[in-house]
Amino acid sequence: DAGITQSPRHKVTETGTPVTLRCHQTENHRYMYWYRQDPGHGLRLIHYSYGVKDTDKGEVSDGYSVSRSKTEDFLLTLESATSSQTSVYFCAISERGLAVAVRYEQYFGPGTRLTVT
Amino acid sequence: QQPVQSPQAVILREGEDAVINCSSSKALYSVHWYRQKHGEAPVFLMILLKGGEQKGHEKISASFNEKKQQSSLYLTASQLSYSGTYFCGTVLDSNYQLIWGAGTKLIIKP
Repeated sequence: DAGITQSPRHKVTETGTPVTLRCHQTENHRYMYWYRQDPGHGLRLIHYSYGVKDTDKGEVSDGYSVSRSKTEDFLLTLESATSSQTSVYFCAISERGLAVAVRYEQYFGPGTRLTVT
Repeated sequence: QQPVQSPQAVILREGEDAVINCSSSKALYSVHWYRQKHGEAPVFLMILLKGGEQKGHEKISASFNEKKQQSSLYLTASQLSYSGTYFCGTVLDSNYQLIWGAGTKLIIKP
């Protein structure tokens, strides 16, 4: 299994509070992604990174920001959490490829279940 | 742009075969297949690329019809371990964005 960890694994927070989720990899892969998963929608890309300090938006980026200061860490921040951001968040990595790894498989972390009350 | 998966759910007996379909309205560069068990992360199964190249699991087969923008995943002689939700991800030829389908839930009964 690819070495990907996410923290925290579960979090309950109140509307309006900031939240940061962390993804850590030990594979030295260049590409990292943040997805959210909701019933009926599958996985939706929030942001991705193609290198240290190189990030770009995905299809559902509003209300989220990311940072990548080291190859191994990719942080997702909800500046002011809303109930619509209640979801399961997955981090993924891939070794090579275009910005969204069209030719290479992605390896997923265990996920973070976030509840915003 | 989300690909359409069918069926949404299927229940089989162990040993039966299943076909899961994924279709797009736009030209595709590649199709990715993943399986997710309840409460776990998605796991890579296969990538099918335009032009016929494939990467993936030896025991799972899939097809990619570029003209119809469709892919099918074939699960033969299903085992209990095949249970889970199967997701396809399609990469458009125009912008190389990976978009995921809503998933097909597969339940295998003994």
